[in-house]
Amino acid sequence: GQQLNQSPQSMFIQEGEDVSMNCTSSSIFNTWLWYKQEPGEGPVLLIALYKAGELTSNGRLTAQFGITRKDSFLNISASIPSDVGIYFCAGPPSGSARQLTFGSGTQLTVLP
Amino acid sequence: NAGVTQTPKFQVLKTGQSMTLQCAQDMNHNSMYWYRQDPGMGLRLIYYSASEGTTDKGEVPNGYNVSRLNKREFSLRLESAAPSQTSVYFCASRGQGSYGYTFGSGTRLTVV
Repeated sequence: GQQLNQSPQSMFIQEGEDVSMNCTSSSIFNTWLWYKQEPGEGPVLLIALYKAGELTSNGRLTAQFGITRKDSFLNISASIPSDVGIYFCAGPPSGSARQLTFGSGTQLTVLP
Repeated sequence: NAGVTQTPKFQVLKTGQSMTLQCAQDMNHNSMYWYRQDPGMGLRLIYYSASEGTTDKGEVPNGYNVSRLNKREFSLRLESAAPSQTSVYFCASRGQGSYGYTFGSGTRLTVV
């Protein structure tokens, strides 16, 4: 099946720093989603992107839908301890509105 | 506002034993999903049900069966558990016209 490649796999940052992570695919996605998973919980939707070039913010989080439609980026500004978790990109494989393919995740650790 | 409820939260099985993971949603969603999460591999789709009365295989269906009991409930059965099925299992649901999944908090299964 189609794969989403996320990078980096893990990040250790100081509180207050900005964070960038990305997700790439070998094929076009028409929708990009970003989820956050906290320890012991299921993923929670952060941002949904529906149009190439779209830039959407949710508080300190900003995500962009790449113009090639094969990538997406998530930025977190001024990180805080509660940003700790695993961040997943996801999207529906072409021709299938019924399923989501998930990236392997970026594990974020925020150091005080 | 329960959302998606999964039971049990933890389970240890011996190789060859069977068990059923339960999932229920109270959001009147049509679609329901079972994913497994393994370290470094993100979330992989096992089975999904686009609507009541239908089920389809996902990326990793071998060793599993599902039942969409009614619109609310979607169960996952392991007939003969194997150590390779040690994982965290997530159930999710999706409303019509939306790509945003709502996840349960997961079942951590260990097969020894």
